[in-house]
Amino acid sequence: DADVTQTPRNRITKTGKRIMLECSQTKGHDRMYWYRQDPGLGLRLIYYSFDVKDINKGEISDGYSVSRQAQAKFSLSLESAIPNQTALYFCATSERTGGANTQYFGPGTRLTVL
Amino acid sequence: AQSVTQLDSQVPVFEEAPVELRCNYSSSVSVYLFWYVQYPNQGLQLLLKYLSGSTLVKGINGFEAEFNKSQTSFHLRKPSVHISDTAEYFCAVTVSGGYQKVTFGTGTKLQVIP
Repeated sequence: DADVTQTPRNRITKTGKRIMLECSQTKGHDRMYWYRQDPGLGLRLIYYSFDVKDINKGEISDGYSVSRQAQAKFSLSLESAIPNQTALYFCATSERTGGANTQYFGPGTRLTVL
Repeated sequence: AQSVTQLDSQVPVFEEAPVELRCNYSSSVSVYLFWYVQYPNQGLQLLLKYLSGSTLVKGINGFEAEFNKSQTSFHLRKPSVHISDTAEYFCAVTVSGGYQKVTFGTGTKLQVIP
């Protein structure tokens, strides 16, 4: 079984709708992240969480919110989706110490906002 | 703040030929360097990483990279590519100490031609 899972894998929604992307991990890592990937732009950090009570904004957090329900679960919400949020979204985890913050990624969620 | 540059957005190469994917970084402090690979419709997975020690790092699937501090580079090489190496490759950098924010390059698509 995959260590980092994301649901759904694909989602098509309409402008203005609220949508939630979910991430679960069995790696036992404390740190979790949400990134978006756009062609030619690489990965950009949306939010990150070091533990359940420690959530931080990344470089592109506007229009997004997150919830860390448990050590193993980290969800990303788009309160009112807009077309330029169409992208590939990745959840990732890393260890709290050691490993130089090596990232372990989920399979991604492809989101299309019409 | 650190940054990373991948100058080549696409690299076509014939099967069994050697390949080099270029990565240059910028940082005022010591760095950790990574290469991740993304196969079609999958998340990113770690290919190799440089933390310290030997500047030549060997990774999975026959890839290796060399850390060159004077040229601030971390180029990825493989002596003979296979069709299965067709993927997008991302260079990434973090700095030692503190939060260790990961900065990703914009990616290089390797297309192996039969």
